[in-house]
Amino acid sequence: DSGVTQTPKHLITATGQRVTLRCSPRSGDLSVYWYQQSLDQGLQFLIHYYNGEERAKGNILERFSAQQFPDLHSELNLSSLELGDSALYFCASSTTTGAYEQFFGPGTRLTVL
Amino acid sequence: AQSVTQLDSQVPVFEEAPVELRCNYSSSVSVYLFWYVQYPNQGLQLLLKYLSGSTLVKGINGFEAEFNKSQTSFHLRKPSVHISDTAEYFCAVSSHASNTGKLIFGQGTTLQVKP
Repeated sequence: DSGVTQTPKHLITATGQRVTLRCSPRSGDLSVYWYQQSLDQGLQFLIHYYNGEERAKGNILERFSAQQFPDLHSELNLSSLELGDSALYFCASSTTTGAYEQFFGPGTRLTVL
Repeated sequence: AQSVTQLDSQVPVFEEAPVELRCNYSSSVSVYLFWYVQYPNQGLQLLLKYLSGSTLVKGINGFEAEFNKSQTSFHLRKPSVHISDTAEYFCAVSSHASNTGKLIFGQGTTLQVKP
């Protein structure tokens, strides 16, 4: 158990819908990262937040957005969902802004029908 | 920009045999290097990391890796594998210069340990 929690574990929805994925980092970690894992793209970095502020964006679609709240949990919002958005979404956390060690949550499996 | 190439998509090996999972990277700047393991239906777990210092890095579960700057490689090795090592293994890099913590992953290598 990494100490990072993600909810829900599974999510099945239809095209065009909007969903919210939630992540709670390890106690004391200020950084939260979101990654997408799909069969065709592999593991891709989406976005990084540090203490409530956006630090870096990767290959994140405009239909996707994220935020980190004052209690440090984070949410990834996916809207106007397409079949190709079906993937495993991971959240990771670390104590600092560097990539010295990131602790990954169990992931949320999103299926878009 | 950085990129990571894992040279083998699948590596079958018999139990108690040695194994090497190969990883090459490309970067114009200095990088940190990582190996993560993903067991079925689980998240990623850090096996080991190279930040600086000794080029031979020891990790959990008996794994080790060697950073070779001239070859731009970071191969993962284990002298004797167990059935429980069956999993997906990912090599990743992150730029020294970047303060974003962004990890760039390879495509993964599936290690299949046979009895």
